[in-house]
Amino acid sequence: QSALTQPPSASGSPGQSVTISCTGTSNDVGGYNFVSWYQQHPGKAPKLMVYEVTQRPSGVPNRFSGSKSGNTASLTVSGLQAEDEADYYCSSYAGNNIWVFGGGTKLTVL
Amino acid sequence: QVQLVQSGAEVQKPGASVKVSCKASGYGFTGYKIHWVRQAPGQGLEWMGRVNPNSGVTDYTQKFQGRVTMTSDTSISTAYMELRWLESDDTAMYYCVRDRAWSFDYWGQGTLVTVSS
Repeated sequence: QSALTQPPSASGSPGQSVTISCTGTSNDVGGYNFVSWYQQHPGKAPKLMVYEVTQRPSGVPNRFSGSKSGNTASLTVSGLQAEDEADYYCSSYAGNNIWVFGGGTKLTVL
Repeated sequence: QVQLVQSGAEVQKPGASVKVSCKASGYGFTGYKIHWVRQAPGQGLEWMGRVNPNSGVTDYTQKFQGRVTMTSDTSISTAYMELRWLESDDTAMYYCVRDRAWSFDYWGQGTLVTVSS
């Protein structure tokens, strides 16, 4: 099972919006509405930000939103804040009780 | 509150085995599957597999089939991940994670496993 494809880096200024893509295949991202996104600050464990493509866990700001079109899922961070600077990973269910992650995107707030 | 507390850092020689524990608290242990995810230094996340504490049924990614065993002990709400025949490429932070709606909602603090001769 191959990893999902994410851009290595993304950036934006405070207050702007940034979108991070996550491309898979019809066997994972395109085949199931089970894409999730994780934020990881240096030296910390990842944190769930979005699940089931568009759902936010309680406590996650509504500045974070998810979407999907075909085999590509996206995470949009609106109103960028300094604390949003982190690594972001997507994950998808890939059938047969298997999950796969993306390679990660480093988000820089300029 | 939900917590997953993992065992401490390990240093192992190539060819050895390591067993990492993950003690759950704050929720019904048998009601949620536990996944294991690893992260090599400076690298991304890698899904390894999962265990269902209620049934003991496991699912592993092909890469680790035959080399990993995930188990659980419901009497002490603890999950375990054993990895055998360690190589230097197995040096990584290993996380246990609770399953929620096809995603991973609570993460342990991580256990650093270093493989070095």
